[in-house]
Amino acid sequence: QQPVQSPQAVILREGEDAVINCSSSKALYSVHWYRQKHGEAPVFLMILLKGGEQKGHEKISASFNEKKQQSSLYLTASQLSYSGTYFCGTAGGSGNTGKLIFGQGTTLQVKP
Amino acid sequence: DTGVSQDPRHKITKRGQNVTFRCDPISEHNRLYWYRQTLGQGPEFLTYFQNEAQLEKSRLLSDRFSAERPKGSFSTLEIQRTEQGDSAMYLCASSPGQGENTGELFFGEGSRLTVL
Repeated sequence: QQPVQSPQAVILREGEDAVINCSSSKALYSVHWYRQKHGEAPVFLMILLKGGEQKGHEKISASFNEKKQQSSLYLTASQLSYSGTYFCGTAGGSGNTGKLIFGQGTTLQVKP
Repeated sequence: DTGVSQDPRHKITKRGQNVTFRCDPISEHNRLYWYRQTLGQGPEFLTYFQNEAQLEKSRLLSDRFSAERPKGSFSTLEIQRTEQGDSAMYLCASSPGQGENTGELFFGEGSRLTVL
């Protein structure tokens, strides 16, 4: 079942923060976050594994609440380069972390 | 460029025609995936290869779709008797084998299919 992302769209000014949420009705083994710019391939941001720690990369970090089957992506002090569509992908317990069910995406636009 | 490459990047065809897409993964990656993406949606899993073996195929995938990876290197995705509903971006992704797999998928830029 497809995870649900919220919000669907966000408009920010440079330097502002944003949170993108991803929730699933099924038990999750892992949550994967990707960013896709218009006309380009999705690019991997990070993976959060069940029982794992919160991940972070520079000003982008994420958390995974296994009990609530939710993940959140945190973008702090946003930059123009953060603009794009963010997808969360979920994997079941098969261990095949490449077979993902992606959410519908959250479009982020960062303005100067 | 040693990333995932796909060919052609764009294909316009008439309904009922067959089309074939090719994907060249990153050379040392033995896992290869096909996804389909329609406008405003996330990628949808189609099928998965480990080396030359097709290990999973989406139940939503019509019998008109077939994929091969004959030598465990490049892969082809063929759609027979195309329908307008097949119009989408077809994305290929690859990843390393299990021991080196960090969970990251390396996507190509996709092959956009338009069925008239």
